[in-house]
Amino acid sequence: GAGVSQTPSNKVTEKGKYVELRCDPISGHTALYWYRQSLGQGPEFLIYFQGTGAADDSGLPNDRFFAVRPEGSVSTLKIQRTERGDSAVYLCASSTTVTSGRPNEQFFGPGTRLTVL
Amino acid sequence: DAKTTQPTSMDCAEGRAANLPCNHSTISGNEYVYWYRQIHSQGPQYIIHGLKNNETNEMASLIITEDRKSSTLILPHATLRDTAVYYCIVRETSGGSNYKLTFGKGTLLTVNP
Repeated sequence: GAGVSQTPSNKVTEKGKYVELRCDPISGHTALYWYRQSLGQGPEFLIYFQGTGAADDSGLPNDRFFAVRPEGSVSTLKIQRTERGDSAVYLCASSTTVTSGRPNEQFFGPGTRLTVL
Repeated sequence: DAKTTQPTSMDCAEGRAANLPCNHSTISGNEYVYWYRQIHSQGPQYIIHGLKNNETNEMASLIITEDRKSSTLILPHATLRDTAVYYCIVRETSGGSNYKLTFGKGTLLTVNP
């Protein structure tokens, strides 16, 4: 079946520009996550959606980063005034509803490689 | 911060068992041990998880010590396609952050022909 898809696969932009990264989760998955992975590091949590609302956005590094999921399916990560330090792979994952006592498997997409020149 | 310690890298011969260790000495009673792997240029892939008992699935086996302070992921017959970074993660079963995966740097397993 279809997995998590992310577009674009690669994005090159100039410092100061605005970018949007898209994530299409697995159909029926209510939970969606964004992570960021810098070179040589493991993924770092950015934000978690349960349905349409951001249940935890504590991992967003600053107010230049924002994410939405207006209909509870597709999500967009938005970065304003990009900086060279934003260069990384941005990973999206989805899962079924997270319930207490039964953490579940997150399915990851292939990521978007963002390069800020 | 990641609550696990793993070797930076390991090598394994093709066809042999790969045993990947992980220390999680501060694990609490409500935390699972999860393993994911990440093949180059792909997103992480779930492998297996466990709480107290040893677990086995079609991909791997997970051996957790009785005191739960360490575990070993076993790939019984490693192939070249198993070359990847393997992440050991402790994760709450309940509470405010049970959705969150906290990755460390993982172990780069290289399977050699």
